Amino acid sequence: AQSVTQLGSHVSVSEGALVLLRCNYSSSVPPYLFWYVQYPNQGLQLLLKYTTGATLVKGINGFEAEFKKSETSFHLTKPSAHMSDAAEYFCAVLAGGFKTIFGAGTRLFVKA
Amino acid sequence: EAEVAQSPRYKITEKSQAVAFWCDPISGHATLYWYRQILGQGPELLVQFQDESVVDDSQLPKDRFSAERLKGVDSTLKIQPAELGDSAMYLCASSRDSHLAKNIQYFGAGTRLSVL
Repeated sequence: AQSVTQLGSHVSVSEGALVLLRCNYSSSVPPYLFWYVQYPNQGLQLLLKYTTGATLVKGINGFEAEFKKSETSFHLTKPSAHMSDAAEYFCAVLAGGFKTIFGAGTRLFVKA
Repeated sequence: EAEVAQSPRYKITEKSQAVAFWCDPISGHATLYWYRQILGQGPELLVQFQDESVVDDSQLPKDRFSAERLKGVDSTLKIQPAELGDSAMYLCASSRDSHLAKNIQYFGAGTRLSVL
């Protein structure tokens, strides 16, 4: 069975600081991994995805994530936070079967 | 850019009443998903359709929830009777297919249900 753990339900950073949102997954087969962003009262928007190939994946809005098989991690980063990045972020895993499993989410706060 | 359409955006109902949500996926997307998202949690799959067929409804409370996608295009999710614990955001998503390589899900804006 697959699962996703997002470390930290809330993360607070200052504007211009590094953003690091942590995600660890469990899967018995090679996974596809995703990060989604959700703004208040909106649906989820895909930020980036890892399927195969290059382990460093670049997404929209300056975000990127690195797939580390040895650590079963897929952490999301952005070098410099902007106020508009304040939102909830979800890591998700799809492996083997057809069901995508989402983490519980991390709410990002950006301080001026 | 094509979007997944959902209506209504907000729904307030009293417990024991019936409610229905509608979803129109991106044109050409064979796979349609209904998720429930409780405040502070990630989305949880309720039901997944491949064209008009249900492929996974293991987490759907079938005593009160039903879903259909009669012509393999738009879909309706119904709750009857609604309970207080059903208050949540109901998200619809679609993907070109359920196969791994094509399983990029696009989400609608959701329907926020409040049961009083």
